[in-house]
Amino acid sequence: DQQVKQNSPSLSVQEGRISILNCDYTNSMFDYFLWYKKYPAEGPTFLISISSIKDKNEDGRFTVFLNKSAKHLSLHIVPSQPGDSAVYFCAASGLSGSARQLTFGSGTQLTVLP
Amino acid sequence: DTEVTQTPKHLVMGMTNKKSLKCEQHMGHRAMYWYKQKAKKPPELMFVYSYEKLSINESVPSRFSPECPNSSLLNLHLHALQPEDSALYLCASSRRVGGTDTQYFGPGTRLTVL
Repeated sequence: DQQVKQNSPSLSVQEGRISILNCDYTNSMFDYFLWYKKYPAEGPTFLISISSIKDKNEDGRFTVFLNKSAKHLSLHIVPSQPGDSAVYFCAASGLSGSARQLTFGSGTQLTVLP
Repeated sequence: DTEVTQTPKHLVMGMTNKKSLKCEQHMGHRAMYWYKQKAKKPPELMFVYSYEKLSINESVPSRFSPECPNSSLLNLHLHALQPEDSALYLCASSRRVGGTDTQYFGPGTRLTVL
């Protein structure tokens, strides 16, 4: 049972346009959400996060939106650049006993075309 | 500074070998994690250490043996692995186990079991 879903395995966007990556979750106990970017054969790089008490967090070209009632979050990248081409993982954080665990989505491959 | 280092970068081992993966962070983080990632899949949690004590073991086979010698170091000892254990092994750290803390990942060790 996938608790965090990224339904689009891939997305292609023209350079300079907006990229929108989506993520849905089912567990209402998740209270912190993160986006990671990953290049092949490298570890995930943290991009941006949002607490469940907020609905928007912005950092430069990256903005994450959270809709708690819909259990949906999205990552907006604007303007998109070719260097943004990578796999993007959505992750949700919740307490499991005394420890906090990340549950990852399956990832979306973003390709930004020059 | 959000650097987590991992050595070696690549490792090839036979099924009868014993080897170790090493992870190091100097950010003062007290929670450290091992993940396994197969190609085109999200990272899967293996172990969580909190204040140098094992707090989560996600039913990982005993041929994987974690060790946390001090607050900066995390090892993963490997023995009698199977070819299906070939994967990217990722280490991560965060300030705390509880609380909304971001996990920072190392670059990973690419393991091939022959």
